[in-house]
Amino acid sequence: AQSVTQLDSQVPVFEEAPVELRCNYSSSVSVYLFWYVQYPNQGLQLLLKYLSGSTLVKGINGFEAEFNKSQTSFHLRKPSVHISDTAEYFCAVSDRLIQGAQKLVFGQGTRLTINP
Amino acid sequence: DTAVSQTPKYLVTQMGNDKSIKCEQNLGHDTMYWYKQDSKKFLKIMFSYNNKELIINETVPNRFSPKSPDKAHLNLHINSLELGDSAVYFCASSQDRRANTEAFFGQGTRLTVV
Repeated sequence: AQSVTQLDSQVPVFEEAPVELRCNYSSSVSVYLFWYVQYPNQGLQLLLKYLSGSTLVKGINGFEAEFNKSQTSFHLRKPSVHISDTAEYFCAVSDRLIQGAQKLVFGQGTRLTINP
Repeated sequence: DTAVSQTPKYLVTQMGNDKSIKCEQNLGHDTMYWYKQDSKKFLKIMFSYNNKELIINETVPNRFSPKSPDKAHLNLHINSLELGDSAVYFCASSQDRRANTEAFFGQGTRLTVV
């Protein structure tokens, strides 16, 4: 069974500083990888996804993530954060072999707090 | 012009009651989902429908019954509510049932069972 581990439950960062949110997955099969963001009292919104090709994926709001197959990691980065980036961030995977249905398996979430 | 809308946003009810949560999407998507987010923010899929056909049914108590009258709607009915059912329930939709597709989420329904 797939599992996703987000290594940090909370990450406090000062405004304009860089940030990295870590995600590792455990799977015996190939997966698609996603990062979703949940702003307070809202639903989840896709930041970016890795399907194939270049291992560096760029998403919305200046975020990017790098797929590392040997490390089974998909860490999310932003070079300079803003107050508006304060949110919960979720890493998720879906099994490539199950094309008949998408079953997202989520990590526990990382609470990113930006301090002025 | 909400893409995925759920009602109600908040639901407080007593143990043993039966309640429903409604979900509608105006994106023209074929596939819809219900996810449960517990108090520790952990998200887990419950059900998925594709064109009104049930395609994912995770290990969920049979007190939970999804219903999809058409591909734009997926409702969740819960019988005999228990304290442990308290959670935020998210409806989502995607263009199709492929594993690599983007899911669009509603704002969630916070269910509190007292």
